[in-house]
Amino acid sequence: ELKVEQNPLFLSMQEGKNYTIYCNYSTTSDRLYWYRQDPGKSLESLFVLLSNGAVKQEGRLMASLDTKARLSTLHITAAVHDLSATYFCAVMYRGGADGLTFGKGTHLIIQP
Amino acid sequence: DTEVTQTPKHLVMGMTNKKSLKCEQHMGHRAMYWYKQKAKKPPELMFVYSYEKLSINESVPSRFSPECPNSSLLNLHLHALQPEDSALYLCASSRGPTTDTQYFGPGTRLTVL
Repeated sequence: ELKVEQNPLFLSMQEGKNYTIYCNYSTTSDRLYWYRQDPGKSLESLFVLLSNGAVKQEGRLMASLDTKARLSTLHITAAVHDLSATYFCAVMYRGGADGLTFGKGTHLIIQP
Repeated sequence: DTEVTQTPKHLVMGMTNKKSLKCEQHMGHRAMYWYKQKAKKPPELMFVYSYEKLSINESVPSRFSPECPNSSLLNLHLHALQPEDSALYLCASSRGPTTDTQYFGPGTRLTVL
């Protein structure tokens, strides 16, 4: 059974600070996804990481993937209030036409 | 255009009702998915359709019945639901069934009385 663990589950930080969210998964997979969800809203795709060593950046967010360690990180640089949301990592469940297994999510609050 | 639409946005139903949720995409995607999300929890996979055929059913109770009439449409038929089925139901689609990004619709917030 595939397990996806995120930490921390809750993070309160000040604007301007840097922080990292971690995502560990239990079985071999070279496909990892990061999504953002605002309260009461749907999921917005942030990054798709498809190979070992992949690094992607968009604005103040940067995601990386280490398939050997089964670890992905989402790094936030100089946080701003607009980044407050819940962030989920997700891993493809199996090969073939499969859905995603999500981590529990990191509820991020960025205070002025 | 990466839009997945879902109707209705909100649905309130009694335990004896029959209702349907609808999902539509016009991106030419060949895989479509239903997820269920309870409050403050991650989405949980319910069903996967690949090329209009049901490929995964994650042990979902039979009171939920999916249907994929064509490559653009996905329905979820609901019957004799329980109050614990109240949740946000999310539809997603992807270009192919493997590595591609899944794009999520806005969801249907279901309340079962």
